[in-house]
Amino acid sequence: DQQVKQNSPSLSVQEGRISILNCDYTNSMFDYFLWYKKYPAEGPTFLISISSIKDKNEDGRFTVFLNKSAKHLSLHIVPSQPGDSAVYFCAAPPKRGNQFYFGTGTSLTVIP
Amino acid sequence: DSGVTQTPKHLITATGQRVTLRCSPRSGDLSVYWYQQSLDQGLQFLIQYYNGEERAKGNILERFSAQQFPDLHSELNLSSLELGDSALYFCASSVGGNDYGYTFGSGTRLTVV
Repeated sequence: DQQVKQNSPSLSVQEGRISILNCDYTNSMFDYFLWYKKYPAEGPTFLISISSIKDKNEDGRFTVFLNKSAKHLSLHIVPSQPGDSAVYFCAAPPKRGNQFYFGTGTSLTVIP
Repeated sequence: DSGVTQTPKHLITATGQRVTLRCSPRSGDLSVYWYQQSLDQGLQFLIQYYNGEERAKGNILERFSAQQFPDLHSELNLSSLELGDSALYFCASSVGGNDYGYTFGSGTRLTVV
C-alpha cells in the first residue's frame, strides 16, 4: 500500500521557469513531510520540510505547500536552474516513529 | 561526501547466494537505517538500529537480517538471493533514535543474476 504517491515520473522545465512537483498521501495521520533530492550515484539529500501546522514553508528558491484537506503537497522551485535536475522524493514519517514512507520520485530535467 | 560510507558500491552475485552490505554512519550518529529501492519504486524502509539495538522493523524479508556493532557500523545480510532482490540499498544515519534529520549514504547497487 503506497501511502505517499508521486504520480508524475518525470518533468521537464525551461531554465528560469517554475518547476512544480506534486505529492499525494493517503494517511491523514501524517503530520510532517519532507522533500529529498537525489543525483545519480548519490544518496538522497534533505531539501525542505513542512509540519502540518503550516501550509507553506519557504527556503530560498524552494517552497513547499501543504493542502491537508486534499492530502496534497507540492514543491515549487523558482527560478529553476540546470543544477536542479535530479530526482525528487517526498516522504512522511508515521505518527510514531521516524521511518519514512517515500514516494516513487519525480525526475526533474531543467533545460538550459 | 555525506559522511555515511557504504561498501561495496556495486555487487553482482548469483541467485541463492548470500551477501553482506556494510554501512559506517556519520561520526556522532547513533542510529542507522536501511532502505531498499527497487526499480521504479520509492525507498522502502527495512530496519533501524539505535546504539546497537534494533529500534524498528519495516518490510524486511526473513531472508534478510541486520546488526549494528559496538563501533556503530552496521551490516545488512541478504541470503538465498532471488532476482527480485536486485535493488539499490541505502543506509542512512541520524544522531538520535527518533530524528527526522537523516543523512544518506550513496548506496550499494546489488544485481542478482
